[in-house]
Amino acid sequence: DQQVKQNSPSLSVQEGRISILNCDYTNSMFDYFLWYKKYPAEGPTFLISISSIKDKNEDGRFTVFLNKSAKHLSLHIVPSQPGDSAVYFCAATMKDNDMRFGAGTRLTVKP
Amino acid sequence: DAGITQSPRHKVTETGTPVTLRCHQTENHRYMYWYRQDPGHGLRLIHYSYGVKDTDKGEVSDGYSVSRSKTEDFLLTLESATSSQTSVYFCAISESVIQETQYFGPGTRLLVL
Repeated sequence: DQQVKQNSPSLSVQEGRISILNCDYTNSMFDYFLWYKKYPAEGPTFLISISSIKDKNEDGRFTVFLNKSAKHLSLHIVPSQPGDSAVYFCAATMKDNDMRFGAGTRLTVKP
Repeated sequence: DAGITQSPRHKVTETGTPVTLRCHQTENHRYMYWYRQDPGHGLRLIHYSYGVKDTDKGEVSDGYSVSRSKTEDFLLTLESATSSQTSVYFCAISESVIQETQYFGPGTRLLVL
């Protein structure tokens, strides 16, 4: 069963605009959430995380929002740059349990 | 970047042959993980280790075994490779607890014919 879902396989945005990547989860026990970015032929790299005690975490151009009641999180990238073009994975975990990943969303930022 | 290497980076093998993938870290992290990445599935955990000789199964462990005889090395073995094990395999590490942020190696692309 896929406990973490990214329902949009791909997203295309114009350079300078906002990119919004979405992620839904089904297990209400998840209490730590992460976003990873992956370029072709490389391993995923950690981007940003959020604990369930918060509803927002910001790091430069990247902001993650968590809506616990809706079991939904989103990653906002503002402004989007061509170098942001990659596959983005959402992940969720809880104490003493392994991390579960979504299927990924391929972001393309057009110049 | 976390010091994680994987070898080989690419491998082609035949059905029924044994295959061993190696992950090596220089960070002295306690936890090490093996994932596979397949289209439509994201990353799925195969096995993980929480110390030397301490391992546990993940979500998709059938057909795989692991060993960790040293802190820095984590081996993944496919005892008898099948075409369904064609995938990209990633090793990851985390410092202390399983819930922490994980750092990934560059991946091994395995093709089983």
